[in-house]
Amino acid sequence: EKQLVESGGRLVPPGGSLRLSCAASGFTFSSYKVNWVRQAPGKGLEWVSYIGTSSSTIYYADSVKGRFTITRDDGKNSVYLQMNSLRAEDTAVYYCVRLLGTISSWFDPWGQGTLVTVSS
Amino acid sequence: NVLTQPPSLSVAPGRTARITCGVKGIATEGVHWYQQKPGQAPVVVIYYDGGRPSGIPERFSGSNSGNTATLTISGVEAGDEADYYCQVWDSSNLHVLFGGGTKLTVL
Repeated sequence: EKQLVESGGRLVPPGGSLRLSCAASGFTFSSYKVNWVRQAPGKGLEWVSYIGTSSSTIYYADSVKGRFTITRDDGKNSVYLQMNSLRAEDTAVYYCVRLLGTISSWFDPWGQGTLVTVSS
Repeated sequence: NVLTQPPSLSVAPGRTARITCGVKGIATEGVHWYQQKPGQAPVVVIYYDGGRPSGIPERFSGSNSGNTATLTISGVEAGDEADYYCQVWDSSNLHVLFGGGTKLTVL
């Protein structure tokens, strides 16, 4: 079964840092592009970041550029999201998602998500 | 650039639901649709405008006129009650865009 499992979410004060992890299984991780997508409580989906195969290309949403860093370790079948200078508006469930094909393709599967709460 | 969706739609069981997604002015290669039920992660129901993944009922279909993409659910069932999101890759701005979501209520 193709699966993505996120971890690392917790309560963190404003201005703090956090590193999210996403572990993949059931498919050849190194062959796929990966994204992070978040969803604030009761709100819609918001794209956060993209990383291509071999970390060849990286993109960020304007709302996180300069604060978040996406990386991957194909040897560990994992992708990470380092989040610095966290703000209250970063509070959300963060999903790790696989791109099925090219950069314009769809997300499948989605992980179960990990909750990040930024609050004092 | 944003993708515009109606916030909500109510449909009686057995009727047809049509959820629209405005994509005017956005350079895309196709629209994808996701269904999200409460407490669950989203699941793709339509890809590249009209493709249907295995396991998704034939009641789900999609189309794209260029300015507006439409997700059509025929013979709506109670189990279709969920939030639906459209999504594209904006090749001009190198961003992924999501619509604001449409809450489908089955009466």
